[in-house]
Amino acid sequence: AQRVTQPEKLLSVFKGAPVELKCNYSYSGSPELFWYVQYSRQRLQLLLRHISRESIKGFTADLNKGETSFHLKKPFAQEEDSAMYYCALKGQSGAGSYQLTFGKGTKLSVIP
Amino acid sequence: DTGVSQDPRHKITKRGQNVTFRCDPISEHNRLYWYRQTLGQGPEFLTYFQNEAQLEKSRLLSDRFSAERPKGSFSTLEIQRTEQGDSAMYLCASSLGGGSNSPLHFGNGTRLTVT
Repeated sequence: AQRVTQPEKLLSVFKGAPVELKCNYSYSGSPELFWYVQYSRQRLQLLLRHISRESIKGFTADLNKGETSFHLKKPFAQEEDSAMYYCALKGQSGAGSYQLTFGKGTKLSVIP
Repeated sequence: DTGVSQDPRHKITKRGQNVTFRCDPISEHNRLYWYRQTLGQGPEFLTYFQNEAQLEKSRLLSDRFSAERPKGSFSTLEIQRTEQGDSAMYLCASSLGGGSNSPLHFGNGTRLTVT
């Protein structure tokens, strides 16, 4: 079974402070990991994926297979980063390869 | 807006009634997914279509739920004999292919309230 855990429901940081949104996963094979974001009154959208090793809007995430983690980081938070963030996992074979398994989400609030 | 479109945005129904939701994916996308999201939870997978074929269904999808994608374009999700526990946001998503380079594009969802 595949599972995604986001331990923080709410994270509040001051503008300019570093941000780290935690994500841990459970999966027996080699997963694909994603971060999705939902801004207020907008639809859920992809922020980044581990396979691309890219930085989007200043955010990065590194897959750590030893710790089964995929934490989302940004060195300096901006007010416009305030949103709901979901970590998601996709298996690479079998039934799990068709579906994304989402964590419960972390609400990031950036205080001006 | 050429994104995924869902209709209606909101639906209020009485327990025991049937409801049907519609999803129009991005036109060239061959894969279509339905998810359900309840308060405080992330989206949960319900079912998946590749073209018109329904290839996977979650155990969350009870016998009262049925989804179709008759021509491989739009999809409908029907819930029969609704229960209060069916109250949730129903999300549709589509993608072109299934690899990591084909991310899911989500619609705005249909919020169902069963009274």
